Amino acid sequence: EAQVTQNPRYLITVTGKKLTVTCSQNMNHEYMSWYRQDPGLGLRQIYYSMNVEVTDKGDVPEGYKVSRKEKRNFPLILESPSPNQTSLYFCASSLSTGTHVNEQYFGPGTRLTVT
Amino acid sequence: AQSVTQPDIHITVSEGASLELRCNYSYGATPYLFWYVQSPGQGLQLLLKYFSGDTLVQGIKGFEAEFKRSQSSFNLRKPSVHWSDAAEYFCAVGQPSNTGNQFYFGTGTSLTVIP
Repeated sequence: EAQVTQNPRYLITVTGKKLTVTCSQNMNHEYMSWYRQDPGLGLRQIYYSMNVEVTDKGDVPEGYKVSRKEKRNFPLILESPSPNQTSLYFCASSLSTGTHVNEQYFGPGTRLTVT
Repeated sequence: AQSVTQPDIHITVSEGASLELRCNYSYGATPYLFWYVQSPGQGLQLLLKYFSGDTLVQGIKGFEAEFKRSQSSFNLRKPSVHWSDAAEYFCAVGQPSNTGNQFYFGTGTSLTVIP
């Protein structure tokens, strides 16, 4: 089954404790992206990646890091989480290329709470 | 920067009634437009998309949307709403780029369906 998986689905952590949210897709998509969803703000793009070793900042990259060492995986790293990073996070992948935009396929989401 | 506006935060309709969800975008070139639906506790699912061609596009679950360049709008419609359509709806615009595609989402419209 074609899908985007995220782990963990739920996470409660404390301020400053480094964490990683994993994302994996089995559709051989080159494009992957991370979003956060907050009430009243919709989804905002954190980082995206056009291919292995190619990543770029979205609208809200502060406090986050990503890496793309393999085509299928795109982990989101919070080096020192803070309470304002409490949010619902979505990973997505797409057949998008530089010249053509395609629809994204979303993972189920990771609800993160930072206390 | 591009932007997407969904002016209706919340809409309530009766089952069987028609539905129109509004979406306005700000983008200089021909936009790549999407509507996604998010059921409670779920990820986002693509309803339909517009890239070019016929300005009236059909999607899944009986939804359709019309692209109107003169009004910078991409409104979502359904002639007869079902109780299972209760969800959050997001309009999005994609921007192609050689360095990576960026996506911009509206803040969402929450739909309640009453019997």
